[in-house]
Amino acid sequence: SAVISQKPSRDICQRGTSLTIQCQVDSQVTMMFWYRQQPGQSLTLIATANQGSEATYESGFVIDKFPISRPNLTFSTLTVSNMSPEDSSIYLCSVARDRAVFGPGTRLTVL
Amino acid sequence: GNSVTQMEGPVTLSEEAFLTINCTYTATGYPSLFWYVQYPGEGLQLLLKATKADDKGSNKGFEATYRKETTSFHLEKGSVQVSDSAVYFCALSDHNSGYALNFGKGTSLLVTP
Repeated sequence: SAVISQKPSRDICQRGTSLTIQCQVDSQVTMMFWYRQQPGQSLTLIATANQGSEATYESGFVIDKFPISRPNLTFSTLTVSNMSPEDSSIYLCSVARDRAVFGPGTRLTVL
Repeated sequence: GNSVTQMEGPVTLSEEAFLTINCTYTATGYPSLFWYVQYPGEGLQLLLKATKADDKGSNKGFEATYRKETTSFHLEKGSVQVSDSAVYFCALSDHNSGYALNFGKGTSLLVTP
């Protein structure tokens, strides 16, 4: 199965700033997914990112707040823009073939 | 739309007790069903899966059977260990979503010696 790495693994950011999270996969995949796991909560899908097209966002998530890039079949970025403390979460990218595989996550704390 | 409902936690059991974590789902079509586990301080890991009705997924002594008639995928283990303490997530995906997952809220399990 695919191996996924994410950068950074964690960060502490100030309110109003933006953070870009990188997701690298060791093989080419068509679809990549970004999830958010708020403290003590389950995972919620933010968006699906296909190479060569705009990301598809789930209800409650918008491109201006969570812009996504997918420049090739092994890489994607998620930016958390104009952050507030409510954005403090673990952000995970995922890919799927016969099953979903998750990256290790980026733990974001917004002060 | 698709959704997953799993029993509320936390669940506290003594070592060697029997475990059941209930999971039911709502889906259009024929989803695949999964149990993921998140150990303290670690990332999410696939525990087991089932892709069609009556399939039984199993791993590390855990089992779950895909029951289409009751739209359920309950997780069971005959004898839990302290090392099984973790948060367990039931999830589903369907081919239409490209394997994006809908997760339940998670059930925290604590096993005491």
